[in-house]
Amino acid sequence: SQQGEEDPQALSIQEGENATMNCSYKTSINNLQWYRQNSGRGLVHLILIRSNEREKHSGRLRVTLDTSKKSSSLLITASRAADTASYFCATVNSGGSNYKLTFGKGTLLTVNP
Amino acid sequence: KAGVTQTPRYLIKTRGQQVTLSCSPISGHRSVSWYQQTPGQGLQFLFEYFSETQRNKGNFPGRFSGRQFSNSRSEMNVSTLELGDSALYLCASSSGQGVGELFFGEGSRLTVL
Repeated sequence: SQQGEEDPQALSIQEGENATMNCSYKTSINNLQWYRQNSGRGLVHLILIRSNEREKHSGRLRVTLDTSKKSSSLLITASRAADTASYFCATVNSGGSNYKLTFGKGTLLTVNP
Repeated sequence: KAGVTQTPRYLIKTRGQQVTLSCSPISGHRSVSWYQQTPGQGLQFLFEYFSETQRNKGNFPGRFSGRQFSNSRSEMNVSTLELGDSALYLCASSSGQGVGELFFGEGSRLTVL
């Protein structure tokens, strides 16, 4: 079952513009992670934000987390054609066994040169 | 440090056959997880192993099984293949202390005819 739901499902922008993707989830979490996947390839970890954090930065990436709204956003600034990929949020639920990630269906980002 | 290695990368099987996929984690990682990715269902958790013990299992039929060896390498097996088993099977490794960043392999693309 999907925990996170990304919005939008697809996003097309021009190089240099910023891209914002949103993720909503349903249950309490331990942490939330964002991954990137180039077409048909493996996933690459981008950033992890814990449930007690509100914002995190890594290079051109900025992630926010609002646990009261059960939502997160990923901002990619000054996008490049190489950022074209699918982006997934994934949650680790709090409580119980926490040895798995529950992924959303992803946002397909296209950055046009 | 070598990444996560999955073999084979591509394979074609017919309905009713069985398949074994292999995953070699990053050196020192003791946790291996398996995920199935399809266009319809997205990324679904199959199971997770740590030190040869299955710690968590997703909601898949018993035809899907896995194991982990003492050197942390893991295999997953799907018996009596169905058309719906066609998917990208992704393996990920981590240190195994809770669920932080996962390191994914490039996947094994299974086509069932």
